Amino acid sequence: EAEVAQSPRYKITEKSQAVAFWCDPISGHATLYWYRQILGQGPELLVQFQDESVVDDSQLPKDRFSAERLKGVDSTLKIQPAELGDSAMYLCASSLAYSAGTEAFFGQGTRLTVV
Amino acid sequence: AQKITQTQPGMFVQEKEAVTLDCTYDTSDQSYGLFWYKQPSSGEMIFLIYQGSYDEQNATEGRYSLNFQKARKSANLVISASQLGDSAMYFCAMSTGFQKLVFGTGTRLLVSP
Repeated sequence: EAEVAQSPRYKITEKSQAVAFWCDPISGHATLYWYRQILGQGPELLVQFQDESVVDDSQLPKDRFSAERLKGVDSTLKIQPAELGDSAMYLCASSLAYSAGTEAFFGQGTRLTVV
Repeated sequence: AQKITQTQPGMFVQEKEAVTLDCTYDTSDQSYGLFWYKQPSSGEMIFLIYQGSYDEQNATEGRYSLNFQKARKSANLVISASQLGDSAMYFCAMSTGFQKLVFGTGTRLLVSP
C-alpha cells in the first residue's frame, strides 16, 4: 500500500543547531504539505507545494525555516537555528489533486525535541 | 478566513455505545470539503470520512457517519458501536479552493470497557 514516507521518526537537537526533515509523498501526488503540531494542539500548516512551487507559506517562520521540493517529488524542511519552541511533531502529507475535496494522506511524522 | 472549532476537549464513551464529536466551521467559500482524521498515540493521522459542501447526503464509512448541517455550519462525527481501539484524538478539518487543509484543536476520545 502506498504511503507517505518521513525521516527521521525522532530527532533530538540542541538549541541553535540546524535540523532537517525529509518527506517522500505518494507517487503521483502533486500537492505536498508540511504541518507542525505542538503537543495537545491541532496541526498548523507551515507550507504547501503544488509540484515544485510554493502555494502557501504564510505561516512559515522564514527567518529560520526553509522548505524545498526541487523536482516536485520529495521535500526537505529545514530549521536553522533551532529554538526550544520548535519542539513539536512535524507532519508531511500529500494529495493527488488540487481541489477542495481531495483527501490528504499523512506520514508518521518526525517528533523533534530541542534541548 | 477558514476556521474550525471543536469545543469538546475530551469525551468518554462505553464500549459498544455511540458517540458524537462536535465540529463547527466558518468559511465564506461556497465550495469546501470537510474531513475527519483520527490520531492514535503513535502520531499518524488516519483519514476517516469526507463530506463535500454540495453533497446532499450525509457521508458514511462503516461505523463512521458525518452529520452535516450546512445552515448551522456543523459537521459532527458519529461513531457507532465504539470499540476500545477508537480511543484516540479526533480532528475535524476543512479545505477550500486551493486545498489548504485547516484543522481544529481536536477531541480526545476515551472508550472504556
